[in-house]
Amino acid sequence: DQQVKQNSPSLSVQEGRISILNCDYTNSMFDYFLWYKKYPAEGPTFLISISSIKDKNEDGRFTVFLNKSAKHLSLHIVPSQPGDSAVYFCAASGRYGADKLIFGTGTRLQVFP
Amino acid sequence: NAGVTQTPKFRVLKTGQSMTLLCAQDMNHEYMYWYRQDPGMGLRLIHYSVGEGTTAKGEVPDGYNVSRLKKQNFLLGLESAAPSQTSVYFCASSRRQTTNTGELFFGEGSRLTVL
Repeated sequence: DQQVKQNSPSLSVQEGRISILNCDYTNSMFDYFLWYKKYPAEGPTFLISISSIKDKNEDGRFTVFLNKSAKHLSLHIVPSQPGDSAVYFCAASGRYGADKLIFGTGTRLQVFP
Repeated sequence: NAGVTQTPKFRVLKTGQSMTLLCAQDMNHEYMYWYRQDPGMGLRLIHYSVGEGTTAKGEVPDGYNVSRLKKQNFLLGLESAAPSQTSVYFCASSRRQTTNTGELFFGEGSRLTVL
């Protein structure tokens, strides 16, 4: 039972355009949502997060949108750069308990010139 | 600043052999975790620790044991390795959290192959 789903295993975007990565979840008790970025042969690194009390959080070129009614979040990267090519994991957690961080399966983003 | 360091980076085992993965963090974090990453499965939590001397089971704990004798170290043990344990293992740490912001700091991973 996958509580956090990333249905697109890969995405290819031209440099300078917008990249939109999607994530769906099933557990309405999730309280916090995060995106991690992973390069090959490296560990994931934290990118951006959003609390369930918000519907948008922006950090430079990265914006995360949360639609609680649809149980859907998305990560927008504008403009996309070749260095953004990586695997992106969304993750979700309950209000308390670090053990409850649930990861999606990841989306591989390729940004081409 | 080393952050989270995992050793070894690569290991090949035969079925039934035992081994220990070592994780060390220099950020004085209270919480430490072991995840495994498999194709199409994302990251799954094996065991975690919320402080020195404490451990707890995660989502996929069977076949693994852990110990947190020192705050900075978190060991993952395989007593009798099985091919199903072929995976990439990630250690992570985080500060004590009064609310779960969920920001983890990961090591570079340890690729384990069990033949």
